[in-house]
Amino acid sequence: DQQVKQNSPSLSVQEGRISILNCDYTNSMFDYFLWYKKYPAEGPTFLISISSIKDKNEDGRFTVFLNKSAKHLSLHIVPPQPGDSAVYFCAAWWSGNTGKLIFGQGTTLQVKP
Amino acid sequence: SQTIHQWPATLVQPVGSPLSLECTVEGTSNPNLYWYRQAAGRGLQLLFYSVGIGQISSEVPQNLSASRPQDRQFILSSKKLLLSDSGFYLCAWSRGDFNTEAFFGQGTRLTVV
Repeated sequence: DQQVKQNSPSLSVQEGRISILNCDYTNSMFDYFLWYKKYPAEGPTFLISISSIKDKNEDGRFTVFLNKSAKHLSLHIVPPQPGDSAVYFCAAWWSGNTGKLIFGQGTTLQVKP
Repeated sequence: SQTIHQWPATLVQPVGSPLSLECTVEGTSNPNLYWYRQAAGRGLQLLFYSVGIGQISSEVPQNLSASRPQDRQFILSSKKLLLSDSGFYLCAWSRGDFNTEAFFGQGTRLTVV
């Protein structure tokens, strides 16, 4: 089973409060994870990534946490800003140099001023 | 620097007509290439990926096919479009060493009428 799941279709947060986006995967053969941000009618843009050998990676306001035992990762945005409102996709590489990159369904984040 | 070009930006085609979407990458060699589709309100579905010229992996049985006639050219085709082929099609590339970010084109909005 090769699935990446984002079970929350949407999330609304107040500007300045912490925003947490969640993602689950079904197989431990996924070994590298990424988060993308997407605006309507545009291609996704890369935000941050994490290898399966790490449990945290931070880049400015964005931090990704990986819990391998739970097959779960999360993206924390601190603090979120109205310009962060977009669809966020979680993605994962299938290990073994297959070239396969699987995306989740996406979560629409709305940051209210 | 690397750039990815995808065209056309929008396309309206009648049911039963053929399709050809083209994607080219500049500034890199031997990239991995991808076609994704985002149906209305859905996530990014991996359709095809390619790790080299003439090497195409198909993820989902469907009415579409892909070809890679040159190292940095990826083409998505159909002989006869169905209504269900409507969606937002995205081409992407990544470096050939895997576990790295993928970069997306601006997408093609296909409407089959």
